This record gives sequence, C-alpha cells and structure tokens, in this order.
Amino acid sequence: DVKVTQSSRYLVKRTGEKVFLECVQDMDHENMFWYRQDPGLGLRLIYFSYDVKMKEKGDIPEGYSVSREKKERFSLILESASTNQTSMYLCASSLAGRNEKLFFGSGTQLSVL
Amino acid sequence: DAKTTQPTSMDCAEGRAANLPCNHSTISGNEYVYWYRQIHSQGPQYIIHGLKNNETNEMASLIITEDRKSSTLILPHATLRDTAVYYCIVHRREYGNKLVFGAGTILRVKS
Repeated sequence: DVKVTQSSRYLVKRTGEKVFLECVQDMDHENMFWYRQDPGLGLRLIYFSYDVKMKEKGDIPEGYSVSREKKERFSLILESASTNQTSMYLCASSLAGRNEKLFFGSGTQLSVL
Repeated sequence: DAKTTQPTSMDCAEGRAANLPCNHSTISGNEYVYWYRQIHSQGPQYIIHGLKNNETNEMASLIITEDRKSSTLILPHATLRDTAVYYCIVHRREYGNKLVFGAGTILRVKS
C-alpha cells in the first residue's frame, strides 16, 4: 500500500514564525499535492508538483511556498505564519497522469497563536 | 468539472447496505464519477470510480444511471468503521485538471 507520511500530527506555532510541513511518500509517485481543510470550506488546493523541482500554484497559494528537491518529499512552507493559517493540512500523492486517484496522509493540525 | 449534489447526512444500521446518492445532472460525456471517503482525523481515501458502467471492488459498488445524471455508492454491509464523510466528485481526466472536493455526505453507521 502507498504510504504518505506527514511529519507532525499536531503543531502549535506563533504568529510570524516560519513553519515547515514535511510530507514523504514511498511509492515513487510523480505528483504531490498540498491541501488545507477548514470547516465549511472543504478541501482547498494550495500547491502541487508534477516532478522534482517543479511546482504549480493551486487555488489558494498566498502566504505559502513549497519545495520539492527529491521525488519522495514535498514541503509546505509558511513564510510568516498568521492566525488565519490555522487549519488541517493534508498532503497527497499520485502517479503521473492520475491526478484523480490520490493517496492522502493523515494530516497535520496546525494552530497559529 | 460538473457540480454534484449530495445529501448532507444519512444514517444506516450496522450490517445493512448503505446507499449514498449523488446527483450530477450537468455531467459531460468525458467526465468520470469518483468517490472518496474521509474517516474522522484521517485524510480522504479513494473508494471507486466509473464512467458509464457499474463498477465493483472490494470496498463498494458504484451504480451509474443510464443517462449518467446520477449515481449511487453502495456499501453492501456497513460497519461502524464506515462512519465517515463520503465525497462524490465528477472529474474530467486531462492534464492539469485537479479534483475538487465538495461538502460530501456524513454517513453515520449505528449499532
């Protein structure tokens, strides 16, 4: 089975801090995605990557950046965390050309105080 | 991608079949129907997908009407562990097109 591992289950940070959320997948998937999930708003796509060192903006990229230096790892960076970035963050991966069959991690609940 | 309409919530007795409906009346000929579910405190999990024909796998069955304007996900013998939010998604497979998750249906399986 595909395993998508997110480094932290819960994270508490202060406003203005730089925050790194790490995601690793073990099935050699080309595609990786970062979503955030908020009550009443569903899942919203932040950034995605189709290959190493490639990245594309999703629907809500403002305030975020990403890094993909290795195929198996996709990092989400909050340059200066704000309270409105308190959310559940979900990482996903998929095979090339199969954006619709996603494998998700368990999520990181980030609280920014 | 076409919009979907699902009931907000449903209840099902343990051991009975859970039938989750989804309306997608504006679906196009090249759009697939996908189902995911999200158990509490976990990421969404792919269940099944189909284009025209009914599909079955180890998790569920998907029944798509002949006009493709609606579909039903069937969990044949629901267990308490099937309590989750179920998302019906209509998606056109083409480069750069991403899945869009709506609000889904909260299924509560009760003993």
